[in-house]
Amino acid sequence: GIQVEQSPPDLILQEGANSTLRCNFSDSVNNLQWFHQNPWGQLINLFYIPSGTKQNGRLSATTVATERYSLLYISSSQTTDSGVYFCAVESNFGNEKLTFGTGTRLTIIP
Amino acid sequence: ETGVTQSPTHLIKTRGQQVTLRCSSQSGHNTVSWYQQALGQGPQFIFQYYREEENGRGNFPPRFSGLQFPNYSSELNVNALELDDSALYLCASSQADSAFYGYTFGSGTRLTVV
Repeated sequence: GIQVEQSPPDLILQEGANSTLRCNFSDSVNNLQWFHQNPWGQLINLFYIPSGTKQNGRLSATTVATERYSLLYISSSQTTDSGVYFCAVESNFGNEKLTFGTGTRLTIIP
Repeated sequence: ETGVTQSPTHLIKTRGQQVTLRCSSQSGHNTVSWYQQALGQGPQFIFQYYREEENGRGNFPPRFSGLQFPNYSSELNVNALELDDSALYLCASSQADSAFYGYTFGSGTRLTVV
């Protein structure tokens, strides 16, 4: 099946800093989503972005499908941004549906 | 527009018992997927239901089974519970047959097997 790798695995930043999270995937995809999982386990959909660039407030994301990677940018970090960020993809082939990466754990220090 | 709702939120079961988890899909969505998330891991795909039929399955044994109802809600059943089944179970809904905008997840059911 498709492989999804995220980096870095852990990131600790001061409030107000900017960060870039990366997601690499091993095959062509027809779906890519970025999620934020809060401490209570809820997966919040940040972006549906199989290709191109999107922005939503302090967050933006870019997917370069031909090179099989996606980037999530967080600017002016706030403590509420803490949590685990997952990239998840759905391959054009195969029977398995949305496949998640291992996540990036982001901790924002006041 | 209602989101994805799951019940119960927490559950404690004994090894060997059976459990049923429930999920109501987001309004307008006709597909439901189930995921298992062990502590410290990313969610793992269990199976997906579309038009009341299984439409894809991950690497889970047959004691994990499911149903989808005509209103698109779904159940996940796990028989002969094992300690390793302790996890957060997430349900996601999506819309097939039209423009696709990704999956929406519920808050999950945290299952503890003792």
